[in-house]
Amino acid sequence: EAQVTQNPRYLITVTGKKLTVTCSQNMNHEYMSWYRQDPGLGLRQIYYSMNVEVTDKGDVPEGYKVSRKEKRNFPLILESPSPNQTSLYFCASRYLTGNTEAFFGQGTRLTVV
Amino acid sequence: DAKTTQPPSMDCAEGRAANLPCNHSTISGNEYVYWYRQIHSQGPQYIIHGLKNNETNEMASLIITEDRKSSTLILPHATLRDTAVYYCIVRVAFSQGAQKLVFGQGTRLTINP
Repeated sequence: EAQVTQNPRYLITVTGKKLTVTCSQNMNHEYMSWYRQDPGLGLRQIYYSMNVEVTDKGDVPEGYKVSRKEKRNFPLILESPSPNQTSLYFCASRYLTGNTEAFFGQGTRLTVV
Repeated sequence: DAKTTQPPSMDCAEGRAANLPCNHSTISGNEYVYWYRQIHSQGPQYIIHGLKNNETNEMASLIITEDRKSSTLILPHATLRDTAVYYCIVRVAFSQGAQKLVFGQGTRLTINP
């Protein structure tokens, strides 16, 4: 089954404690991205990657890092989480070219206290 | 970026057709209209997309006006499981073919028994 898998689904952490949210896709997609969703602000892109070792900032990259060492994985790293990063996070993937749809993971609800 | 305008909420009776409108008056000639939906806080789910012709798949139909300034998503026989937030998105292309999805606030569709 084609899917994007995020882990963990829920996470409560403390300010400053480094964390990583993993994202993996099994569709051989070149393009992967991370979004955050906040009430009243909708989904906003954090980072994206067009292929292995190619990453770039989205609209709200501050406080986040990503890496793309393998095609299937695109982890989101919060080196020093702060309460304003409390949000619902989604990973998405799609083929780089063509007019195909994006597949989204089930989301990670992060709370930073 | 082409913007979209959708009504914030709509209601529909179960078993009836749900017609969700979207205005995208600044759409460019090579931009596609995509529809996604988000059920509760799950990851957005692709529904359908089109350029200028009407499109139909197993989930829905998409009607795009001849001037492409608006479109309508039609769920032919709405069920309670179709209750969700529906996003109309104009796909923005940028830098070397990468494309991002710009989510607005969407329409909260409630299907009533």
